[in-house]
Amino acid sequence: QLQLQESGPGLVKPSETLSLTCTVSGGSISSNSFYWGWIRQPPGKGLEWIGSMYYSGSTYYNPSLKSRVTISVDTSKNQFSLKLSSVTAADTAVYYCARHSSAFFDYWGQGTLVTVSS
Amino acid sequence: EIVMTQSPATLSVSPGERATLSCRASQSVSSNLGWYQQKPGQAPRLLIYGASTRATGIPARFSGSGSGTEFTLTISSLESEDFAVYYCQQYNNWWTFGQGTKVEIK
Repeated sequence: QLQLQESGPGLVKPSETLSLTCTVSGGSISSNSFYWGWIRQPPGKGLEWIGSMYYSGSTYYNPSLKSRVTISVDTSKNQFSLKLSSVTAADTAVYYCARHSSAFFDYWGQGTLVTVSS
Repeated sequence: EIVMTQSPATLSVSPGERATLSCRASQSVSSNLGWYQQKPGQAPRLLIYGASTRATGIPARFSGSGSGTEFTLTISSLESEDFAVYYCQQYNNWWTFGQGTKVEIK
C-alpha cells in the first residue's frame, strides 16, 4: 500500500522560505506515468494545487505561485520536496503531498499545518 | 485558469435522503472531472473520476454525471459517514478544485 508522509517546520517567519519534504513508502517515486504533487488548504477553505513533478523530472507549477515555488526530487531517498519563498500569512495552510495521474489524485499524505507568523 | 464553482456551499440533508451537489466549470472540461470527499482532519478521498466512474471501493450510492461545464454528484441515500465536505476537481487544463460543498445533518 502506497503511503506518503509530509515533514517540515510547522512555523515559518514572514518573508522566509517554507520547506517541506514528502517521503514515499510502499512504492517507487520513479514509477512510470505518475506525478508527485503538492496541494494546500488554508484553514476553513478549499484546496489549491501548488505544483507537481512528473516521474521523468519535469515540473509543473500553478501559474499563480510559479514565481515562488520549486519542487525537487531525491530518488535515492524516495522523497520529493517543496520550497515556497517569500511567504506571508496568506500561505498559512495545511500542506498535502499526493500522487496523481494526469487526471486525479489517488494517494495523499495526512497533511501538515504550516503557520506563517513572526 | 479554469475556475470551478460549487453549489450550494452548505447542504442540510436528513439521513436516508438524497443529496445533489453541483459543480460548474468556467469553460468546458469535457469529462475530465473528479469528486472528492473530505472529513475533518483527513485528506481528501477520491470518489469519482471521468465525471461518472466510481473509484475503487466507493459505494454505489455515489454517482456522478455531466460533461462540458455542468456536473452533478448524487448521494442516493445518505448514511452517517457521508456527512463531509465534497470537492470537484478538473483535470482538463492543469488541476483546479472547487471551493467545496459541506453536507451537514439536517
